[in-house]
Amino acid sequence: GAGVSQSPRYKVAKRGQDVALRCDPISGHVSLFWYQQALGQGPEFLTYFQNEAQLDKSGLPSDRFFAERPEGSVSTLKIQRTQQEDSAVYLCASSIFGGPSYEQYFGPGTRLTVT
Amino acid sequence: AQKVTQAQTEISVVEKEDVTLDCVYETRDTTYYLFWYKQPPSGELVFLIRRNSFDEQNEISGRYSWNFQKSTSSFNFTITASQVVDSAVYFCALRRSEGAQKLVFGQGTRLTINP
Repeated sequence: GAGVSQSPRYKVAKRGQDVALRCDPISGHVSLFWYQQALGQGPEFLTYFQNEAQLDKSGLPSDRFFAERPEGSVSTLKIQRTQQEDSAVYLCASSIFGGPSYEQYFGPGTRLTVT
Repeated sequence: AQKVTQAQTEISVVEKEDVTLDCVYETRDTTYYLFWYKQPPSGELVFLIRRNSFDEQNEISGRYSWNFQKSTSSFNFTITASQVVDSAVYFCALRRSEGAQKLVFGQGTRLTINP
């Protein structure tokens, strides 16, 4: 079956540009997560949606980062005025429900390079 | 606060050797979940195991086994008779049983199995 997909897989942006990263979760999955993975590090939580509601955005590093999931399925992570420290792999994950006993299934990630 | 520590940054062994990946966690919660994920070169995180803090029984799945010791806050992962295909970065993660649903990851251990 189809897993979590993300697009684009690679993105190069010049410093100051805005970028939008897309996540298509597994069909029917209620919960959706975004994580940021810097080179050589573990993923770090950015934000969490249950359906269209953004229940936790405590991990967003600044107000330049914005995420939405307007219809409760596809999600977009937007980064405004990109900076070099934003260079990382952005991982999206979905789970069928929001409870802690449900696995999060990860997509392949979008590698963002800011030059 | 929650924290996961994987002290081994890199491990390199020869094929067929046994190898143990260490994971130590910190949490003030009495109930929580622990996870192991594998990240092959393709980048996608692959779920390996989930363990509830109530269940301290060790688990074996083929060549993989996990040792959960609540008294020492450790959740170690052993691969028996390692194979080249086991080469990847392995992450240990912690998740609360209530409240925030995010995964808190360790920094990962890069495992290289040499033929």
